[in-house]
Amino acid sequence: NAGVTQTPKFQVLKTGQSMTLQCAQDMNHNSMYWYRQDPGMGLRLIYYSASEGTTDKGEVPNGYNVSRLNKREFSLRLESAAPSQTSVYFCASSERWAVYEQYFGPGTRLTVT
Amino acid sequence: KNEVEQSPQNLTAQEGEFITINCSYSVGISALHWLQQHPGGGIVSLFMLSSGKKKHGRLIATINIQEKHSSLHITASHPRDSAVYICAAGMDSNYQLIWGAGTKLIIKP
Repeated sequence: NAGVTQTPKFQVLKTGQSMTLQCAQDMNHNSMYWYRQDPGMGLRLIYYSASEGTTDKGEVPNGYNVSRLNKREFSLRLESAAPSQTSVYFCASSERWAVYEQYFGPGTRLTVT
Repeated sequence: KNEVEQSPQNLTAQEGEFITINCSYSVGISALHWLQQHPGGGIVSLFMLSSGKKKHGRLIATINIQEKHSSLHITASHPRDSAVYICAAGMDSNYQLIWGAGTKLIIKP
């Protein structure tokens, strides 16, 4: 089992460019999450998907969109990147809600210049 | 005031020492998570507990629901234990965890 995979691992964008971060899990989990972690800071929830076909905003959703493509895949899109979105992005999944263990992907390090 | 508070923020110890990291929370929870973030950035779940105590190798996690407090202990600490340790509170039927700020642990040889 690969667990949670994310692509790409690194990305540099210019201000205004768009990109999609991909995430997939092979554990048959219902819930998936996107977090961002700024340097020296804790994790902040961007969006989550409780189950296939549903998505909800987290703590910091502005500037992002998500798609739960199927049970395995959950993508995060930046439509017009801004320097404030420079961060490390983590995808995670869990069997169901927050009382269940979360499994994290390796992260995507994004720099917006 | 954060709903989940960790202490200490930073901890440096010598190899072999017994380590304790504390997590206090102010909300009613169903589960308390402990995670480890390696210097390379990867995040691994260590424990999820709702009562009592759990042990995995040299790591022990305890929780006192009445006192709203959890501790993570590391016995016979080793430089490879150097990492950021994070606690997070989860509530039943809620998809969002409430995250602590993390404790940066450095174990010197």
